[in-house]
Amino acid sequence: AQSVTQPDIHITVSEGASLELRCNYSYGATPYLFWYVQSPGQGLQLLLKYFSGDTLVQGIKGFEAEFKRSQSSFNLRKPSVHWSDAAEYFCAVAPPGNKLVFGAGTILRVKS
Amino acid sequence: EPEVTQTPSHQVTQMGQEVILRCVPISNHLYFYWYRQILGQKVEFLVSFYNNEISEKSEIFDDQFSVERPDGSNFTLKIRSTKLEDSAMYFCASSEVPTGELFFGEGSRLTVL
Repeated sequence: AQSVTQPDIHITVSEGASLELRCNYSYGATPYLFWYVQSPGQGLQLLLKYFSGDTLVQGIKGFEAEFKRSQSSFNLRKPSVHWSDAAEYFCAVAPPGNKLVFGAGTILRVKS
Repeated sequence: EPEVTQTPSHQVTQMGQEVILRCVPISNHLYFYWYRQILGQKVEFLVSFYNNEISEKSEIFDDQFSVERPDGSNFTLKIRSTKLEDSAMYFCASSEVPTGELFFGEGSRLTVL
């Protein structure tokens, strides 16, 4: 069965530091890949998506993610974190024609 | 920018009561979804809906749940007889194509007492 693993439940980084949030998936073929962000009390906002093509995708708010087929990973990165980036981040995968499945989420705390 | 809207934002109900959560998907979208997130847990798929019928549902979506598109704009989730464990944030989403980008509403928080 398809699954999504976000191994880090919480991550704390200093403002201005770089960030990498990990995501691994388990599926035979390459699914569609997404990162969503959820601020407290808010809905889910799409940061970026990968369907095919260039394995490094750019998203909103200065985020990027790299798809690595050999590692079945789709890690989210940001070179310099801002305090407003504190939120919960969800990786999600969808095999073509199939429903979106979310990871457990990673809570990002930003310290000044 | 078009968005998915959900009402109510928060509903408190007694166990055993019926609840209807409402969603207005983005107008040109054809695929509709309900997800839920129990506090502190992951976002879970409930049901997808296309062409006026359920296209897929999870094991969570038992006979107590139903979905409907009563008119051209609304998409509703009904829980017939709520249980304590139904307390969660319920997210509606819509998309233009299946497994394309899902646009989520801000959620309806359901609290069952």
